[in-house]
Amino acid sequence: SQQGEEDPQALSIQEGENATMNCSYKTSINNLQWYRQNSGRGLVHLILIRSNEREKHSGRLRVTLDTSKKSSSLLITASRAADTASYFCATGASRNSGYALNFGKGTSLLVTP
Amino acid sequence: SQTIHQWPATLVQPVGSPLSLECTVEGTSNPNLYWYRQAAGRGLQLLFYSVGIGQISSEVPQNLSASRPQDRQFILSSKKLLLSDSGFYLCAWRPTGGTEAFFGQGTRLTVV
Repeated sequence: SQQGEEDPQALSIQEGENATMNCSYKTSINNLQWYRQNSGRGLVHLILIRSNEREKHSGRLRVTLDTSKKSSSLLITASRAADTASYFCATGASRNSGYALNFGKGTSLLVTP
Repeated sequence: SQTIHQWPATLVQPVGSPLSLECTVEGTSNPNLYWYRQAAGRGLQLLFYSVGIGQISSEVPQNLSASRPQDRQFILSSKKLLLSDSGFYLCAWRPTGGTEAFFGQGTRLTVV
C-alpha cells in the first residue's frame, strides 16, 4: 500500500527559485525519508528525518516533519536545472516477516533555466 | 563498498512469454531485498520483499513471483506475461536494521 502522498503532483519553477513539496502519511512512523529519481533511473536517498525531529538540513535541502499532522515537506532552495527529477517520500512499515518502505506517488519537479 | 546490479535495463517481451529479472547485491551480507514496480508517471508499488534466503513476502496478488536462491540474489519471474505487467521494475536493498534503501537502475519491461 502507498503510505505517503506527495503534493503537488507536478511543479515547474525557474532556476534560483525555491521548490516546496509536501507529503502526508497515514500511520505512526519512526522516520520519514525523501528520495530523488531522475527520469528512467533508480531512486537515490536524499535525507531522513526521525519522528522526534522537527527540521533537518542537508545542503540546499530542508525537511520538516509534523507528526501531529502526519505531514512532511521538502524544500529545495536556490534550485538548479539539475534538480529536475521526481521526488518521493517514504515511510517504513513493519510486517510480520520484515520491514518495507512504502513510497508515495511523487512530485515531478521541472526547473527551467 | 556495496553495489547493486539489476539487469537487463530494457526488455520487450510478447504476451504469454516467461520473465526472469535478476538483481544481485555486492559488498554486504544478509540484506533485506525488495522488488518494486512503477507504472508510467506513478509511484512505486511494493511487490515482494525478502529478509533471507528462501523467505519471500508478497505484497499484492499478481501474475509475478519472486525467489531468493542465494543471500544476495533476488529474482523476479513470471510464467506467462500479461500486457498489464508492463512497467519499470526496481530492485532495492536495505541493510538489516538500517533505514535507507539503495536502488538498482531499474528494468523497463514492455509486454507487447
